[in-house]
Amino acid sequence: AQSVAQPEDQVNVAEGNPLTVKCTYSVSGNPYLFWYVQYPNRGLQFLLKYITGDNLVKGSYGFEAEFNKSQTSFHLKKPSALVSDSALYFCAVRDIGNNNDMRFGAGTRLTVKP
Amino acid sequence: NAGVTQTPKFQVLKTGQSMTLQCAQDMNHNSMYWYRQDPGMGLRLIYYSASEGTTDKGEVPNGYNVSRLNKREFSLRLESAAPSQTSVYFCASSEGGRTNEKLFFGSGTQLSVL
Repeated sequence: AQSVAQPEDQVNVAEGNPLTVKCTYSVSGNPYLFWYVQYPNRGLQFLLKYITGDNLVKGSYGFEAEFNKSQTSFHLKKPSALVSDSALYFCAVRDIGNNNDMRFGAGTRLTVKP
Repeated sequence: NAGVTQTPKFQVLKTGQSMTLQCAQDMNHNSMYWYRQDPGMGLRLIYYSASEGTTDKGEVPNGYNVSRLNKREFSLRLESAAPSQTSVYFCASSEGGRTNEKLFFGSGTQLSVL
């Protein structure tokens, strides 16, 4: 089965600094990768996806993610963090061998401090 | 602009009690999903429905039943609640089939089973 791992439970950054939320994947074949964000007391919201093409994918709210095949990573990035970016971030992969269901990572809590 | 609406938002049950979680979407989506979210484990798919009257098991279906009576509504039933079912439950929908990447989530139901 395909899977993703988010090695950090918590990431803290200062407002205005660049942020990175890490994700590594384990797949057989080509990966279909996604990032979702969950704000407090809300459901998850789609941020961006990588299916094929450019390794740098741009998404909502100024976020982007870099697909790196040699490192099997799909890290989420933003050049300048905002306090309002504080949320729970989930990496996900489509499980091609299992009905194409989405497999979510455990999540990383991002806190941006003023 | 409701999107995906779940009720109730909070529920406390005693072991052995039953209840139904309700979900409705107003985006005319074909596919609907029920996930549970547990700390450190991300989201796991309980059941999926491709259309009215059809349902498929996901990763963790045991102890749950679902019903898709029409295109808008997809309910999740716990017949005899157990403490292991304490979780946050999310309903989601998407256009097209199970392979669609962009899921729209409700705001969740926090369930505690004592």
